[in-house]
Amino acid sequence: QQQVKQSPQSLIVQKGGISIINCAYENTAFDYFPWYQQFPGKGPALLIAIRPDVSEKKEGRFTISFNKSAKQFSLHIMDSQPGDSATYFCAASGDNAGGTSYGKLTFGQGTILTVHP
Amino acid sequence: KAGVTQTPRYLIKTRGQQVTLSCSPISGHRSVSWYQQTPGQGLQFLFEYFSETQRNKGNFPGRFSGRQFSNSRSEMNVSTLELGDSALYLCASSLEAAGTDTQYFGPGTRLTVL
Repeated sequence: QQQVKQSPQSLIVQKGGISIINCAYENTAFDYFPWYQQFPGKGPALLIAIRPDVSEKKEGRFTISFNKSAKQFSLHIMDSQPGDSATYFCAASGDNAGGTSYGKLTFGQGTILTVHP
Repeated sequence: KAGVTQTPRYLIKTRGQQVTLSCSPISGHRSVSWYQQTPGQGLQFLFEYFSETQRNKGNFPGRFSGRQFSNSRSEMNVSTLELGDSALYLCASSLEAAGTDTQYFGPGTRLTVL
């Protein structure tokens, strides 16, 4: 019930291409879905996040698409750049204990993105 | 504003020993969460502290424990270390971990158990 499944495990795209990473969740109590970017030797950093009340959120080259009925969400990176090469994690959290559960993020397994110049 | 800091950054221990890791959250943040990151299991939630109380707990054995001080700084302790405890331990802080509060991660402590 707590799993978040992420695919693909690795992704190679050419500079200027579109990178797409998908995630699926099971726990219907999840209502906050952030994406994190992690570079080697660094901690994860928030990239973009979405709540289920919207189906899409865009920030610069990064877009989250959300499908509540399918319990799926995805990250699209437009015009991918070599500097985007990193590991990307989807995550989820939700209020299933009276507003005190958001401190627990459940992460997907991660996607290693490589953007070739 | 300074980010989340973790000390030490690297640690080497032997099986059976215990270890204490420290985390200083962003100023004003009251929630501190700990995660274990390994190549095989990915990022797994250990526990979360808020106002010096453990508010959420992951599925880790009792050898893993933590605490939070009145200034929101947090420590986690692992007793009787096992080889499988080798991992990157990440600390994250947020204002109150309510709703859409962002969790900001530190650089982690790399623990190697020999």
